[in-house]
Amino acid sequence: KAGVTQTPRYLIKTRGQQVTLSCSPISGHRSVSWYQQTPGQGLQFLFEYFSETQRNKGNFPGRFSGRQFSNSRSEMNVSTLELGDSALYLCASSSQTVNYGYTFGSGTRLTVV
Amino acid sequence: DQQVKQNSPSLSVQEGRISILNCDYTNSMFDYFLWYKKYPAEGPTFLISISSIKDKNEDGRFTVFLNKSAKHLSLHIVPSQPGDSAVYFCAAAVYNTDKLIFGTGTRLQVFP
Repeated sequence: KAGVTQTPRYLIKTRGQQVTLSCSPISGHRSVSWYQQTPGQGLQFLFEYFSETQRNKGNFPGRFSGRQFSNSRSEMNVSTLELGDSALYLCASSSQTVNYGYTFGSGTRLTVV
Repeated sequence: DQQVKQNSPSLSVQEGRISILNCDYTNSMFDYFLWYKKYPAEGPTFLISISSIKDKNEDGRFTVFLNKSAKHLSLHIVPSQPGDSAVYFCAAAVYNTDKLIFGTGTRLQVFP
């Protein structure tokens, strides 16, 4: 079965612009989480959605937002991009509780110049 | 503050020997601990988890040990294989949520 699909794979944006990243979870998975990976910081939790509702949120500024659609696909948006937003953004989906492990996508590499 | 710490950024082990990756945490409000493996240009892959009420979980070559009093967990890989070369992340699940707190990773290199 298809894995978690993230688009686009690579993105270059200019400071001040906004960006939307997309994530299609594994069919049947209703929970989608987003993480930011930067060198030295590891993976940091952004937010988690379940059945179109945000259940958990990390410690990121309001410029970072997300949503989930009725088909479980999710998008995250970053407005007013800063150089420090350059990172690998990973999406993960799950059909069960977290102890069974998420399935991660390959990520979107965002570069802000 | 980093609630989950992997203090060794890298580890080099000979093929066939044991690899031991370590992780420390500072918060007691975690109910599961997990290990993920990550290759370049790919997302992390789930390896093994352990409940906070257990002290050991084993799956094939992978064993995770949890020492709650020391707030320490470790992943043992026996025997190590060259294909195990990757970055390993430990993660802790915040109690009663699906939120994971990750460590910064340890790069394991298994050489012949």
